[in-house]
Amino acid sequence: GAVVSQHPSWVICKSGTSVKIECRSLDFQATTMFWYRQFPKQSLMLMATSNEGSKATYEQGVEKDKFLINHASLTLSTLTVTSAHPEDSSFYICSARVRVNQPQHFGDGTRLSIL
Amino acid sequence: DAKTTQPPSMDCAEGRAANLPCNHSTISGNEYVYWYRQIHSQGPQYIIHGLKNNETNEMASLIITEDRKSSTLILPHATLRDTAVYYCIVRVAMYSGGGADGLTFGKGTHLIIQP
Repeated sequence: GAVVSQHPSWVICKSGTSVKIECRSLDFQATTMFWYRQFPKQSLMLMATSNEGSKATYEQGVEKDKFLINHASLTLSTLTVTSAHPEDSSFYICSARVRVNQPQHFGDGTRLSIL
Repeated sequence: DAKTTQPPSMDCAEGRAANLPCNHSTISGNEYVYWYRQIHSQGPQYIIHGLKNNETNEMASLIITEDRKSSTLILPHATLRDTAVYYCIVRVAMYSGGGADGLTFGKGTHLIIQP
C-alpha cells in the first residue's frame, strides 16, 4: 500500500514554456502533499506544503508565482513550473501522507530539463 | 527539528548485517526518528520510524538508545539492492492540524553493499 505516482517521469522543453507535474496517491487519501526539489549531488529540499482545498505554503526562497501548486482533491496535487528557464532544471519529487506523524510516501520523481 | 549527524559513507559485505548510525544528541522528547533511503535517480523510500522504543518491520530494525541521543538502523541481511543513500531525520510530533511537517534532509550515509 501507500503508493504515490508521479507523472511525467522526465520532460525536456524549451526555455520560456510552462510544465505541469502531477502527483497522485493511488491507494490512500492524502490531506497533505509535499513538493521537493533535488539538484545534482545534493539532498532534497522542501519547496512547499500542499493541503487539500487550501493554498500551498511555500518555503523561504521559493517563488510562489513561478511554482504554482494546486491540490484540488485528496488524491491529486499538481506543480506547474511557469516560464521555465535552464536554472529550473532539476529533479522534482512529491510525497504524500495520510495524517500528521505518519510517514511520507514519495513518488519516483520528475526529471526536468530546460534547454 | 533536531540536527542529525551521519557518516558520509559506509561499506558492507553482501549477506551481512548493515548497521547505520545516527547521532541526534539535541533531540527533544516529542521528536520522532525517521529513516528513509534513496536509490540513485529514484524518490526516497520510507523504511521505519520510532519515538523511544525499538522498532522492527519487514525491511529493517531501528534501535534507539535509552537517552534517545542516537539510533542505529539495521538491515539484517544486506543485498546489492540495498546500495543507496540513507537519511536519518528527526521530526517533531504534531498534535494539531496544519500539516506543516515537511522533512529536512541532510547529506545522509551512502551505503555501498559489496558483492
